[in-house]
Amino acid sequence: SSELTQDPAVSVDLGQTVKITCQGDSLRNYYAAWYQQRPGQAPLLLVYGKDNRPPGIPARFSGSSSGNTASLTITGAQADDEGDYYCNCRDRSGKDHVVFGGGTRLTVL
Amino acid sequence: EVQLVESGGGLVRPGESLTLSCAASDFTVRTTYMSWVRQAPGKGLEWVSLIYPNGHTDHADALKGRFIISRDNSENTLSLQMNSLGSEDTAVYFCARGPLFGDYVFDLWGQGIQVTVSS
Repeated sequence: SSELTQDPAVSVDLGQTVKITCQGDSLRNYYAAWYQQRPGQAPLLLVYGKDNRPPGIPARFSGSSSGNTASLTITGAQADDEGDYYCNCRDRSGKDHVVFGGGTRLTVL
Repeated sequence: EVQLVESGGGLVRPGESLTLSCAASDFTVRTTYMSWVRQAPGKGLEWVSLIYPNGHTDHADALKGRFIISRDNSENTLSLQMNSLGSEDTAVYFCARGPLFGDYVFDLWGQGIQVTVSS
């Protein structure tokens, strides 16, 4: 099992706001990064650090963190937001090892 | 265009070895952190290996030393030598730039390459 826990599936109505969460002890010390993966495609970095987005990522994707929980919020979900969302951060080993959450499948209704 | 392109995947028998390659464009792999990440069928992402700018390498503990990450500075490529392959290694393998920014971020990914281990 992963050191980072995500809900397996979440749904949201078109145009509404959804929050996807990621829980784990590592998140008390490190920010999570969030990725979107559409079927058959490579992951795409959405949000990292306190709340940073790479160039080209819409502002409706935002990140936050509290205690051992990191969250990705999608404000005004669109149909092409459907896909799998993964969080990651450093693991608890003390080495530069990386851990990913198990992923959340987002359905836009 | 900044991109990563993997090659070398395919079908191998249990116990065999396989080497994957990843060609980088428009940036220099030796100046940054580079990793391999894999995804088994229907499963999530799993970090595999990392090479530092100084050449130091590290691997996921679960691999038990079977995988070796390296790079060719003259060719600007990253490689992953995989030994003693088993069915559990069947996955799509991605090369990725990172972890970066002190937050263990992967900001650029290849399209992935399929590795299937089967007799």
